[in-house]
Amino acid sequence: DTGVSQDPRHKITKRGQNVTFRCDPISEHNRLYWYRQTLGQGPEFLTYFQNEAQLEKSRLLSDRFSAERPKGSFSTLEIQRTEQGDSAMYLCASSLGTGGGQFFGPGTRLTVL
Amino acid sequence: AQSVAQPEDQVNVAEGNPLTVKCTYSVSGNPYLFWYVQYPNRGLQFLLKYITGDNLVKGSYGFEAEFNKSQTSFHLKKPSALVSDSALYFCAVRDGGNTDKLIFGTGTRLQVFP
Repeated sequence: DTGVSQDPRHKITKRGQNVTFRCDPISEHNRLYWYRQTLGQGPEFLTYFQNEAQLEKSRLLSDRFSAERPKGSFSTLEIQRTEQGDSAMYLCASSLGTGGGQFFGPGTRLTVL
Repeated sequence: AQSVAQPEDQVNVAEGNPLTVKCTYSVSGNPYLFWYVQYPNRGLQFLLKYITGDNLVKGSYGFEAEFNKSQTSFHLKKPSALVSDSALYFCAVRDGGNTDKLIFGTGTRLQVFP
């Protein structure tokens, strides 16, 4: 499968713990995006990268959230000191350049107890 | 600020009938418009996009969408619905000149009855 992959698919953690998610984009895609989706809502933009440069961050991305794409390939999203409100589906997408469609991975479902 | 409205939470249609899922948008620049479909426990799948050119855009699985600048709408259509089209549909907009992020609507659940 040459689509966007995310790991893990599911994560259950206790409040206050740190979690890290990984996204592997489609190999030739230079742009990578993170979104968050809660039940009954559309995805909300968090941040995106062009190669290794983080170009834009949403105000939704508090100081507890950090994303990296160190070599311009895979990306990680870390949430520190998780809160119950962080429970959501975290979606990763990639695209080739600008103007094209963003292709989404299956998501990582986070549950914070 | 960019925004997208999907005024219908659910659309019901009989198999074989035409379907329309509505979307209106607001951006400050030229809109880039997208439709995605989400099946249960699966990620979003790209259906089609409008960037520029012909107002009628054809996409995957027989879907098409019509861009109407004066009404700021981008409705999704299909001439003949299938039961397998039942899913959650999201419209998204990007403000073409200013950012690459997508703003999504809240989604419309399409239910196609046999």
